Amino acid sequence: AQKITQTQPGMFVQEKEAVTLDCTYDTSDQSYGLFWYKQPSSGEMIFLIYQGSYDEQNATEGRYSLNFQKARKSANLVISASQLGDSAMYFCAMREGRKASGGSYIPTFGRGTSLIVHP
Amino acid sequence: DTAVSQTPKYLVTQMGNDKSIKCEQNLGHDTMYWYKQDSKKFLKIMFSYNNKELIINETVPNRFSPKSPDKAHLNLHINSLELGDSAVYFCASSLKGSGFQFFGPGTRLTVL
Repeated sequence: AQKITQTQPGMFVQEKEAVTLDCTYDTSDQSYGLFWYKQPSSGEMIFLIYQGSYDEQNATEGRYSLNFQKARKSANLVISASQLGDSAMYFCAMREGRKASGGSYIPTFGRGTSLIVHP
Repeated sequence: DTAVSQTPKYLVTQMGNDKSIKCEQNLGHDTMYWYKQDSKKFLKIMFSYNNKELIINETVPNRFSPKSPDKAHLNLHINSLELGDSAVYFCASSLKGSGFQFFGPGTRLTVL
């Protein structure tokens, strides 16, 4: 079973509108972290936002916010006031409480959502 | 200032050759990773090193051999390259226990 599910392979949004990119996750750990990364057409992976499982407030970073619904195991990314430069692939990722030897968490990525912002 | 750097950025080679990709980070992180991103953009972890010790070794052909000479470097050597090895390879680093990963720019490997 996939640990991170992004059900929207592609999304379109009008410039200046808000858009929500879905992410659901599967874990039995109590302590875990959720991340969103952006990958523009140039290829680099850019960290956007992080939410810890014990954080009570939804994470926000500028125009990005993470709608964390723990009971539903969802961690949707909301981009407000979309810009043309937001067109990119977006990846949801999770690090679970299970550690590999050496104490590092093993990360899992979703398959990504391609966002296109129209002028 | 570059945080995680990879060389080369592009690598085009013939099937059967041996090639290496180098990765360096100047963030003071103690954990480094190699990921493979296929043509469908699926990102899969291959290896992880913590303080020069291999801690994650996913199901990867043993033609792939990582080497970490020190905490700031993690190189990937690939023997007998195959067509299916064509992909973008990302190096990343993090602090142990944090999960925050910073990625390098990627190396696009094309095997002809």
